[in-house]
Amino acid sequence: SQQGEEDPQALSIQEGENATMNCSYKTSINNLQWYRQNSGRGLVHLILIRSNEREKHSGRLRVTLDTSKKSSSLLITASRAADTASYFCAPSNDYKLSFGAGTTVTVRA
Amino acid sequence: EAQVTQNPRYLITVTGKKLTVTCSQNMNHEYMSWYRQDPGLGLRQIYYSMNVEVTDKGDVPEGYKVSRKEKRNFPLILESPSPNQTSLYFCASSYRGRETQYFGPGTRLLVL
Repeated sequence: SQQGEEDPQALSIQEGENATMNCSYKTSINNLQWYRQNSGRGLVHLILIRSNEREKHSGRLRVTLDTSKKSSSLLITASRAADTASYFCAPSNDYKLSFGAGTTVTVRA
Repeated sequence: EAQVTQNPRYLITVTGKKLTVTCSQNMNHEYMSWYRQDPGLGLRQIYYSMNVEVTDKGDVPEGYKVSRKEKRNFPLILESPSPNQTSLYFCASSYRGRETQYFGPGTRLLVL
């Protein structure tokens, strides 16, 4: 399985600081996706990075992908209280995504 | 509005009483999938469907059934629910399985 494993499990930061979380996976992938989940709600897609890309930006989000190390990172810059959520990486191959247990991010005012 | 809908949103039932959770999407997506989410375990895929009349098992299919008779609908059936199926269930859809998934709001199931 190419299930993603996020690290750390939990992260607490001050508003305005940056938050970085990492994802590792085991097998080759077509792309890797990051999702956000606010408490108990459905997941919302944040960004998709393909296996031939190394870095991608979307607003305050920056994602990197290192296929040689089978790892990815998600950076949220200038965090806000609304960024408080769980973040999941989902390595994707063929016809499925495999989610990890997520990183819970708390942004303190 | 493009969306994935699930019903019911909350359900309390008893062991052995058959139930169906419906899922519908209005984006003409070919791929649909069911996940369950349990604390500390993330989302685990139950079943997926690549198109009408094409379904396949995910990582945790035991105790569940699905059908895909129409492109827009992908119901999840629990023929004889057990307490270990108490969970938060999500339906998702996408143009293709490996692309961006659009999630429904979730169905919280409690089996007594």
